[in-house]
Amino acid sequence: QQQVKQSPQSLIVQKGGISIINCAYENTAFDYFPWYQQFPGKGPALLIAIRPDVSEKKEGRFTISFNKSAKQFSLHIMDSQPGDSATYFCAASRGSSNTGKLIFGQGTTLQVKP
Amino acid sequence: GAGVSQSPSNKVTEKGKDVELRCDPISGHTALYWYRQSLGQGLEFLIYFQGNSAPDKSGLPSDRFSAERTGGSVSTLTIQRTQQEDSAVYLCASSPSPTSVGYNEQFFGPGTRLTVL
Repeated sequence: QQQVKQSPQSLIVQKGGISIINCAYENTAFDYFPWYQQFPGKGPALLIAIRPDVSEKKEGRFTISFNKSAKQFSLHIMDSQPGDSATYFCAASRGSSNTGKLIFGQGTTLQVKP
Repeated sequence: GAGVSQSPSNKVTEKGKDVELRCDPISGHTALYWYRQSLGQGLEFLIYFQGNSAPDKSGLPSDRFSAERTGGSVSTLTIQRTQQEDSAVYLCASSPSPTSVGYNEQFFGPGTRLTVL
């Protein structure tokens, strides 16, 4: 059962453009939604995270938009740069649980063309 | 400071052999996770440790998979009688505190790429 669905699978954006990656979740008990960035040969690293008490969180060029009623959240990368080329994973967890295990989306491979 | 380290970085084995994958978490991190990343797939949770105990083993795919953690630090994931479908990157992550563990950042190691021939 895929509890977090991510799209698109791959994305090509021109330098300076906006990259948008979308995720949808099923379990309404999820209350923590991080995005991880992974470069080839490296482990994922936390990029930005949001809890459902806010609809948007911005950190530099990265913004998470959250729609609780639709059970959807998205990552926006403004002014995309070639250095942003990586695989991005959305995830969800029950922050109130005693494990913190993350349920990941399938990943989006982003290529930013110079 | 040192991050999460994993060894070996690559492991090639023959079908039916046993393999051991090692994870050294960030010093002081009490929570430790194992995930599996198959080609073109997202990360799949395998097991969670808090200290030396594993309160959540729900992601282990079969009884061929087991893991232990000793001294609240190093963890070993063992796969017995490996199968070709076990080929994947196995990632370890650690997190600093059991308090509000669900909201803590997980720090990932670089992974072990396992290939079963």
